[in-house]
Amino acid sequence: QSALTQPRSVSGSLGQSVTISCTGTNSDVGGYDYVSWYQQHPGKVPQLLIYDVNKRPSGVPARFSGSKFGNTASLTISGLQAEDEVDYYCCSYAGRFTLIFGGGTRLTVL
Amino acid sequence: QITLTESGPTLVKPTETLTLTCTFSGFSLSTGGVGVGWIRQPPGKALEWLAIVYWDNDKGYSPSLQSRLTITKDTPKNQVVLTMTNMDSVDTATYFCAHRGGTSGSWQSPTFDYWGQGILVTVSS
Repeated sequence: QSALTQPRSVSGSLGQSVTISCTGTNSDVGGYDYVSWYQQHPGKVPQLLIYDVNKRPSGVPARFSGSKFGNTASLTISGLQAEDEVDYYCCSYAGRFTLIFGGGTRLTVL
Repeated sequence: QITLTESGPTLVKPTETLTLTCTFSGFSLSTGGVGVGWIRQPPGKALEWLAIVYWDNDKGYSPSLQSRLTITKDTPKNQVVLTMTNMDSVDTATYFCAHRGGTSGSWQSPTFDYWGQGILVTVSS
């Protein structure tokens, strides 16, 4: 069970949009609508951004959105802000009580 | 208010067994849908899910580490314990425990909405 595949880095300009992909298999991402996304500032605890593919917990801005097509989930951040320049991780249910994280993506805001 | 705190040794020797305790408050592990998971993060590297225990005592383990991991819960004490045998230098990491539940009603959902601050465990002789 390898980690879900995320790009190591993505970049976008201030105010623009960026999408981070998370590719798995039909045994995890493609098999269940249970994908979460986490944001992690350096040296800090991960924070939940998106759950169940496209739901936002209370307090998370609407400019963060999630989607899924086939074996690939995506996190889209619109209206990029300087403070968005941190790490992002996806996580999926993988059956039989197991979970799997992605390898993480570092976002650079230009 | 939900809080979780990890405790245990910060230095272990190779081949030793690591025992970490997650002590929590603000929720009960007897409530349907609730789980407590362990996730680790080596310095400068990605998050890695290790194990989870659910309210009904169902458990899940990372397939690659399953032979080395044991997770147990003590509901009255509000604690979850993770043991990892045969520690090696590659197991040096910050170990987090996290609460799953509430935000998503589906127990399968990896919705860790509250996390402990983590404990850095170094494996070295």
